[in-house]
Amino acid sequence: DQQVKQNSPSLSVQEGRISILNCDYTNSMFDYFLWYKKYPAEGPTFLISISSIKDKNEDGRFTVFLNKSAKHLSLHIVPSQPGDSAVYFCAASATRGGSARQLTFGSGTQLTVLP
Amino acid sequence: DAGVTQSPTHLIKTRGQQVTLRCSPKSGHDTVSWYQQALGQGPQFIFQYYEEEERQRGNFPDRFSGHQFPNYSSELNVNALLLGDSALYLCASSTWDAWNQPQHFGDGTRLSIL
Repeated sequence: DQQVKQNSPSLSVQEGRISILNCDYTNSMFDYFLWYKKYPAEGPTFLISISSIKDKNEDGRFTVFLNKSAKHLSLHIVPSQPGDSAVYFCAASATRGGSARQLTFGSGTQLTVLP
Repeated sequence: DAGVTQSPTHLIKTRGQQVTLRCSPKSGHDTVSWYQQALGQGPQFIFQYYEEEERQRGNFPDRFSGHQFPNYSSELNVNALLLGDSALYLCASSTWDAWNQPQHFGDGTRLSIL
């Protein structure tokens, strides 16, 4: 039972254009969502997060949108740069008494930004 | 400020053997989580340690066990290795009561079972 799904294994975008990565979840208890970027031979690097009390969070070129009714979130990268080429993972977690919690990951989307 | 460090980087074992992987958390973090990432998949939660106790556990058999030391570092032990245990093992650290802060990952240990 895959609770977090990234249905696009890959995405190619021209440099300077917008990249949109999508993620769907099924567990209604999830209330904190994150995006990580992963280069080969490195661990996942945190990009941006959003809690369920918000529907948008921005950090520089990165914006995450959350649609709770559709159980859908997306990551927008504007403008896309060749250095953004990596695997992007969506992750979600549920509150456990205010303590640190386990992350449930999607299977990732390989983003390629073409020069 | 050192981030999360893991050792070794790579490891080759044969079926039936036992392995120990090590993790030092980011400075200021007190909680360590372990994840298994199989090829082409996202990381899957194994378990989490805080105050030297296992606090949460994912859907992994008892062959997977762990430990946390007083300095917050942690070990992951896997007994009776199977071919299916070949994967990247990732350690992540965080602060126990900071639920809205991200976990920080190390670069992982690549485990290959022959």
